[in-house]
Amino acid sequence: QSALTQPASVSGSPGQSITISCTGTSSDVGGYNYVSWYQQHPGKAPKLMIYDVSNRPSGVSNRFSGSKSGNTASLTISGLQAEDEADYYCSSYTSSGYVFGTGTKVTVL
Amino acid sequence: QITLKESGPTLVKPTQTLTLTCTFSGFSLSTSGVGVGWIRQPPGKALEWLALIYWDDDKRYSPSLKSRLTITKDTSKNQVVLTMTNMDPVDTATYYCAHLSSTSVDYWGQGTLVTVSS
Repeated sequence: QSALTQPASVSGSPGQSITISCTGTSSDVGGYNYVSWYQQHPGKAPKLMIYDVSNRPSGVSNRFSGSKSGNTASLTISGLQAEDEADYYCSSYTSSGYVFGTGTKVTVL
Repeated sequence: QITLKESGPTLVKPTQTLTLTCTFSGFSLSTSGVGVGWIRQPPGKALEWLALIYWDDDKRYSPSLKSRLTITKDTSKNQVVLTMTNMDPVDTATYYCAHLSSTSVDYWGQGTLVTVSS
């Protein structure tokens, strides 16, 4: 299985909204509603931000939202804040386990 | 409170076998729907899924690494062990263990850096 495809970088100014895409196949993203998104700051372990395509764990800001259409999932961050600057990874369930995305570096200008 | 911690060697030689142990607390690996997985991240690179084991001993492996990986659990000790054979310098990475709810990784260990070098 190949890694899910994400843009290498996305940037935005404080207060703006940005969207990160995550493209897979019908064997992963398109086949299951089990897409998750993780935020990772430098030197830290990843943190779960979205699970099951669009659900937020307790404690995660409602500025983070997820969606899916066909083989592509998306993470939207609204009201961008300096603390949102980090790497973001999507992940999808597959028949052989899970697969991660290539990762996106979010820069707050 | 769910916590996980990885332990094992920080340095291994090429061709050696790596054995990592994940010791966890705050949950039981005999509870339906629960799993523990291993994920790695080479320096400056993306996350890579390696293996997972579920409460019912169902095991899943990354297709590209399946021949080199073995995952086992010891429910009584709250531990999961990952072995990876024939280590190579490209396997240098931070290795994370993680708790799986039914559909996602929701808790991560702090990670342990393993360097492969002669």
